[in-house]
Amino acid sequence: GENVEQHPSTLSVQEGDSAVIKCTYSDSASNYFPWYKQELGKGPQLIIDIRSNVGEKKDQRIAVTLNKTAKHFSLHITETQPEDSAVYFCAASTSGTYKYIFGTGTRLKVLA
Amino acid sequence: DVKVTQSSRYLVKRTGEKVFLECVQDMDHENMFWYRQDPGLGLRLIYFSYDVKMKEKGDIPEGYSVSREKKERFSLILESASTNQTSMYLCASRVWDNTEAFFGQGTRLTVV
Repeated sequence: GENVEQHPSTLSVQEGDSAVIKCTYSDSASNYFPWYKQELGKGPQLIIDIRSNVGEKKDQRIAVTLNKTAKHFSLHITETQPEDSAVYFCAASTSGTYKYIFGTGTRLKVLA
Repeated sequence: DVKVTQSSRYLVKRTGEKVFLECVQDMDHENMFWYRQDPGLGLRLIYFSYDVKMKEKGDIPEGYSVSREKKERFSLILESASTNQTSMYLCASRVWDNTEAFFGQGTRLTVV
């Protein structure tokens, strides 16, 4: 069945450094790729998303890249800050279906 | 702002009890979801509803049922709670496929 693999499961970076989280999806028909951030005690919240007709998208310190051929997409956070510490989930979805397939999550710790 | 509200943050129930988890969204969204979140397993879909009185099983529907009598409200029912249903439960809604999903704050259920 459809699957999204997410790596790493935990990531520690020094404040100000960059963080990269990678996901691989199995369904070549997937065409929507959101990233969610979950802070402690809260539900996940969308931080950025990308559609399959775009290779890269940026929003301030956050960027997402998509390689459709390799079925990879990645989240890049630059100039990390302590408030970036959270669990991040990638997901893949296909038009006409109801499902998001979520990755297993990455716990990011930004060390001050 | 879209708001998805889950009726309880924390619940403790006894084995064999019938448990109701309630979710309400205020943005007239068509689609609503119930997910279960467990460490290392990410978000797994229990049930999905695409309209009033309409539902689809997700990946792990066993032991659960749902009800959607009104567009804004989606209820998850544990017919006979068991200890392996101890988990974090997340409700979400979205306007249509391949759009942002908005999550509630989660209900942490403990079955003893």
